[in-house]
Order: sequence, then structure tokens, then C-alpha cells
Amino acid sequence: GDSVTQMEGPVTLSEEAFLTINCTYTATGYPSLFWYVQYPGEGLQLLLKATKADDKGSNKGFEATYRKETTSFHLEKGSVQVSDSAVYFCALTHNTDKLIFGTGTRLQVFP
Amino acid sequence: GAVVSQHPSWVICKSGTSVKIECRSLDFQATTMFWYRQFPKQSLMLMATSNEGSKATYEQGVEKDKFLINHASLTLSTLTVTSAHPEDSSFYICSARTGWSTDTQYFGPGTRLTVL
Repeated sequence: GDSVTQMEGPVTLSEEAFLTINCTYTATGYPSLFWYVQYPGEGLQLLLKATKADDKGSNKGFEATYRKETTSFHLEKGSVQVSDSAVYFCALTHNTDKLIFGTGTRLQVFP
Repeated sequence: GAVVSQHPSWVICKSGTSVKIECRSLDFQATTMFWYRQFPKQSLMLMATSNEGSKATYEQGVEKDKFLINHASLTLSTLTVTSAHPEDSSFYICSARTGWSTDTQYFGPGTRLTVL
């Protein structure tokens, strides 16, 4: 069945460092891909998404490109801030209600 | 943005008792609500999907009689864990969306259940 694999955390960075959180997927056809973020004490929020191959999703300085050839959707940000500290979830869906999530990656950014 | 709340945020109960968790959409009408379960260091797993006024649709392997879901209004869904046991201890998360299946799901902050 479909699945999502994320790098284990925590990822610990200094402020202004470059961020990459890896995400790969296994799925039939062409799923839609998502990154969700969960700040402490809050619910998951949609960060960005891409619905077809080579699409780039972007929001709040974060980017991820849908790579069909490598079945990947890695999350990147050029310069992280302390306020980016959160848990990040990669997910996919085949345009149905069922979201399939990765295990989440905790990001800790220190000043 | 759309806000979904859950109550309680954490609960501890004795084995054999039942626990009810509420999920509310605060500023929009939720045609569909979802219940997820998350074990430590694991993915969120969809348990069931409920549409307002209809019976919930459960994912394979989820016990309907164990996890009772009620979606009686467009702003409230409840999950009742009946006769809870320690293995039911987990983090339960709800989400809600309006009409179409491609609409964004808005997530609640989750409820930590510990069964002693």
C-alpha cells in the first residue's frame, strides 16, 4: 500500500542555517503531496502542497518540489528561525479524504 | 484561518471505563470530520471518517464497538473509547473540512489518553 517515509529527528539547527527534511513516498499513480507543520500545543496546519510532478509548493520561505523520478518531496528553507521550531509531517493522498502521513520530524532551532 | 478544538487536551482513566473526546469546528461548518490515532514516534493513522448525520466509516482493523463516533451536528463530533484498556492509550487527533474531498482538512490539537 501507499506509504510515506521521513527522516528521523530531531533536526537541530542554529538560526539562519539551511534546512532540509527528507521525504520519500511509495504510491501508485500520481498522488498529491503535502507538508504539514505542528507547533507546540496546536493542531497540524497545512504548510504547502503539490499536486503533480515537478510542481513546487512554497509558503513562509519553505519549499518542496514533487519529484516523480525519485518519489521524493523534500522540504527546504534557506534560513530557519527559532519560530520554525515544530514537528513537520509529510503526507500524501490520491485526492480522497484519506491522508497518509509520515512519522513526523521534529525541528529545533536555537538562537 | 479555520479553527478546530478538542476537549479534553489530556485525560487519565481507569481500565474498563469509557472516555469521550469532543472535536469542534469553531468558525466553520464541518461536513466531514476525521479521527486519527498517533502512537509515539509513529504516523497519524486514520481511524474513521464521519459525515454529519450519517454513520461513521471505519478503517480496516478499527473496532466500531470500541471506538464510537457521533457526528450529530455540523460543528461537533465525539469519539467515545468504550471499556478502555492500557493498549488504548494514545494521542487522538481530529480534523474537519467543509464540502469537497479536495478541501483542506483543519486539525485539532489532539487529546492524550492514558489508561491505567
